Amino acid sequence: GENVEQHPSTLSVQEGDSAVIKCTYSDSASNYFPWYKQELGKRPQLIIDIRSNVGEKKDQRIAVTLNKTAKHFSLHITETQPEDSAVYFCATNSGGYQKVTFGTGTKLQVIP
Amino acid sequence: DVKVTQSSRYLVKRTGEKVFLECVQDMDHENMFWYRQDPGLGLRLIYFSYDVKMKEKGDIPEGYSVSREKKERFSLILESASTNQTSMYLCASSLNGGGGDEQFFGPGTRLTVL
Repeated sequence: GENVEQHPSTLSVQEGDSAVIKCTYSDSASNYFPWYKQELGKRPQLIIDIRSNVGEKKDQRIAVTLNKTAKHFSLHITETQPEDSAVYFCATNSGGYQKVTFGTGTKLQVIP
Repeated sequence: DVKVTQSSRYLVKRTGEKVFLECVQDMDHENMFWYRQDPGLGLRLIYFSYDVKMKEKGDIPEGYSVSREKKERFSLILESASTNQTSMYLCASSLNGGGGDEQFFGPGTRLTVL
């Protein structure tokens, strides 16, 4: 089955700095790469996603890049703010595309 | 606005009991999923369903079963609860999985098995 590895598991940055989270996957047929944010005590929510026909996508301070050849994709958060503190999960589809496999999560702490 | 609800936020059961966790979505989504979330392990897929009465095993189906008799409702069943099934259980739904779609999550059920 699909294997998704996510690094780092924890990340601390100063407010205003950038944060980068990286994921690798194994299934070359994967074509959908979402990122979810889970605040403490809340449910995961989609913050950005990218499909395999696109190499990069931006939404204000958040961007995702995809390298299909190397089978990795990354989340970039610029000008971090305390409210960015949360656990972030990467994911990708596989096995007939309805199934989604999640990474193990990155706990981001933004220090004011 | 998609709404996914779960029957309980907190549940305490004893070893060997049969446990039902229910999930309801109100946006006519085709796909529904059950995950468990454990620290350091992320979200692991237990079962998913892409249509009424259809089910597919996820990555960790052992000890669980599911039922989807109606499109809006997806139930997770622990036939004989064990302490290693103590976890946070999250239900999710998506419109149509072909090619991948945003998943909308419920609030979660924290299950403790004593």
